[in-house]
Formats: sequence, C-alpha cells, structure tokens
Amino acid sequence: GQNIDQPTEMTATEGAIVQINCTYQTSGFNGLFWYQQHAGEAPTFLSYNVLDGLEEKGRFSSFLSRSKGYSYLLLKELQMKDSASYLCAVKDSNYQLIWGAGTKLIIKP
Amino acid sequence: GAVVSQHPSWVICKSGTSVKIECRSLDFQATTMFWYRQFPKQSLMLMATSNEGSKATYEQGVEKDKFLINHASLTLSTLTVTSAHPEDSSFYICSASFSHTEAFFGQGTRLTVV
Repeated sequence: GQNIDQPTEMTATEGAIVQINCTYQTSGFNGLFWYQQHAGEAPTFLSYNVLDGLEEKGRFSSFLSRSKGYSYLLLKELQMKDSASYLCAVKDSNYQLIWGAGTKLIIKP
Repeated sequence: GAVVSQHPSWVICKSGTSVKIECRSLDFQATTMFWYRQFPKQSLMLMATSNEGSKATYEQGVEKDKFLINHASLTLSTLTVTSAHPEDSSFYICSASFSHTEAFFGQGTRLTVV
C-alpha cells in the first residue's frame, strides 16, 4: 500500500525554528509537495521537490532524499500566523497526489 | 499562481435534497480536476478524478451515483451531492491541474446537512 507519515502535532515558540518530517512509501515518485492549511480553508502551496536536496523560499525550506523516502519542511523565524496544519503529499506513478494526515503546528508566544 | 474558484463557500441543506458545487479554473485550462472531502481533523481524501469530456474516475468506496461529477469544459467541473444526509456533512475541496507540478485548490465548500 501507499502511505505517508508525518507527526500529528508539534509545538514551537515564536521566533524559533521548527522542522517537520515526512516519510513516504509510494508506487512511483513524481515529486513531493508541502502545503499549508489553516482550519476551515483549502491548502495553499508551499514547496515542490522532485530532485534530492534543499529548496529554499524565504523563511521556508524543503529537503528531499528520494533514496530514503524522506523529506522535511523547515520553518525559520516562526510567526504566530504560521500556526496551521502542514500537509506532505507525493505524486505517484499515475501523477495522483497521495496525502499525509498533516502536522498541526502550534506556535506559542 | 493560477486561480481556482469554488462556489459556494458554505451551504446548509435539508436531508434528502441535492447540492451542486462548482469549481472553475479562472486563468488556465484544467485538463484534470480533483474532488476531495475532508472531515474534521482528518486529511484530505480523494473522491474522484475528473477529466474534461470523459467520465470521472471514482476512488474505492465513493458512490458515483451519489456524488455526480461533471467536467463539461476545460474550466468547469461540478460535484452534485444527491439525496444528501447528515453524514455527508463535510468540507469539499476541488483542485485543478494543467501540468505535472503543483495542483491549485479552490477555497473549499463547507456542507452541512440538517
């Protein structure tokens, strides 16, 4: 079967750095996505990795290791507005998005 | 980024009635649209994949006669929840794709069946 694992919940302090991990086992791989979802809203795109390595975009960075089936999302200089769920998703061999359950990130002052 | 508009944002309906949700790609042609359902505190669950001009492909366990999907043009797909019941209350989200990279999401529709 296909599965994507990420922690259910994480807590961090405003101004700090947090790393959200994602491991996956899918039938084929055509890219890994990170999305941010605030409660009651649709997901918004954060990053896309298809090759190994680190992609940096402002305060957010995403890393991929295809051989390990592993990715992480790194958030720097945390702000209260970063409190949300972070979804890891992988496109399989059929270009279908397989979703993780999401990690609820709680930011404390 | 590309814009996907979903309407309505929320709807309340009586049990036994039908509800139609629209998903439009505003500035690109979406050859494929996806319909998801999300229950509280759970992940997105793919319901069906819709390709323009052809029948939708439903995921296992999703009743195609209850959740009617129409993708009549490259910019519009509709999901109709027929004979809705309280257990159909959920957050329904569409997404559209024109490439093999990111998918663009609509705003979502909160359906409450009373």
